[in-house]
Amino acid sequence: GAVVSQHPSRVICKSGTSVKIECRSLDFQATTMFWYRQFPKQSLMLMATSNEGSKATYEQGVEKDKFLINHASLTLSTLTVTSAHPEDSSFYICSARVRQGVGETQYFGPGTRLLVL
Amino acid sequence: AQKVTQAQTEISVVEKEDVTLDCVYETRDTTYYLFWYKQPPSGELVFLIRRNSFDEQNEISGRYSWNFQKSTSSFNFTITASQVVDSAVYFCALFSGNTGKLIFGQGTTLQVKP
Repeated sequence: GAVVSQHPSRVICKSGTSVKIECRSLDFQATTMFWYRQFPKQSLMLMATSNEGSKATYEQGVEKDKFLINHASLTLSTLTVTSAHPEDSSFYICSARVRQGVGETQYFGPGTRLLVL
Repeated sequence: AQKVTQAQTEISVVEKEDVTLDCVYETRDTTYYLFWYKQPPSGELVFLIRRNSFDEQNEISGRYSWNFQKSTSSFNFTITASQVVDSAVYFCALFSGNTGKLIFGQGTTLQVKP
């Protein structure tokens, strides 16, 4: 399957600081990437759809000024959590869409654990 | 409305037992795709299978098998002769062509004891 990487895998920061998470497609080009958030023992919640060369599409209830997404190239999307607060602590996972035959598959990165103190 | 239901929150089995994880979905799309992902303790989601709505053929891959029943809107996953390494959270997901989004079930935590 396609390989998606994320960096960093884990980050601890102080409240009020900003944190940038990178998502890269390693062996393919991804015009569309997705950012999810997962709380402990819960399912994945889609935050936004990241489109290369255009603005991201945010899900209802997700603050676009809080979670800045940039998809500047076909292999890189970044999520910046601005002015992070303890309630932003979570597991953030990105995915990239790959068209395979009829239909498509999303491949996921290894995730980033964010802890805001 | 699009929805995926995994009614089993947690399942615990002893190694070598067979186990079936249930998945029921709702969609009005005529064409859709169903997925199973595995999430081990490390957190990464591992793609297991994709099934197209127009292909009801069941699939077997090693100890894994999937039963797609369009008539009952179910896409169940069976692990034969389970192993400790199968312990993980398993997610069933539905891709909607109308929304372009992947909709996840709540996940089933499988614990395989030695």
